Amino acid sequence: QKEVEQNSGPLSVPEGAIASLNCTYSDRGSQSFFWYRQYSGKSPELIMFIYSNGDKEDGRFTAQLNKASQYVSLLIRDSQPSDSATYLCAVIGTGRRALTFGSGTRLQVQP
Amino acid sequence: GAVVSQHPSWVICKSGTSVKIECRSLDFQATTMFWYRQFPKQSLMLMATSNEGSKATYEQGVEKDKFLINHASLTLSTLTVTSAHPEDSSFYICSAYPGQGDRRGGYTFGSGTRLTVV
Repeated sequence: QKEVEQNSGPLSVPEGAIASLNCTYSDRGSQSFFWYRQYSGKSPELIMFIYSNGDKEDGRFTAQLNKASQYVSLLIRDSQPSDSATYLCAVIGTGRRALTFGSGTRLQVQP
Repeated sequence: GAVVSQHPSWVICKSGTSVKIECRSLDFQATTMFWYRQFPKQSLMLMATSNEGSKATYEQGVEKDKFLINHASLTLSTLTVTSAHPEDSSFYICSAYPGQGDRRGGYTFGSGTRLTVV
């Protein structure tokens, strides 16, 4: 079982729609969860982090965390073609300092 | 704030030679830096954790004699790929944690180094 799992996609949504990206993790003791966006050939850039159960909103982005289900998601409202990228879920596991990444979900926003 | 500078952005080297990649934290002190490797269409895989003033901690399967890490100061970590071979061709990315005071709360990444060994 992979430590952090994501659907590889591609997830295709029309411009203006809501994109929903999902991630599950295996280490129940994980405390910190991150979403990064990575454009082709570039390094990841942080979108959001979440530590507590529930929702956290930042502009068009909402992160949702459910520790009981070991599930974290990212919603992107009013999706734009510029949002087309690979979205990486990352977790800091028990006793770890480094991020463990999922394989990423490729998002395509159709104009 | 929280900027990590990585150089070079890309490098092409001949098989058997060594390549050094630098990672600097520009506006904060990083006692710990992380080195990742990313192959095409794959995710980032942690190679090692670089600790200022002490030896790096390598992940299982990463050859410490091939990937030399030096963290001589609080703002600089280097990764040297020794005796590079074509299978070492990859995208190498460093990362640092600015600390609890950083409003974004996340780890900052360098811009990455595309290494091609021919």
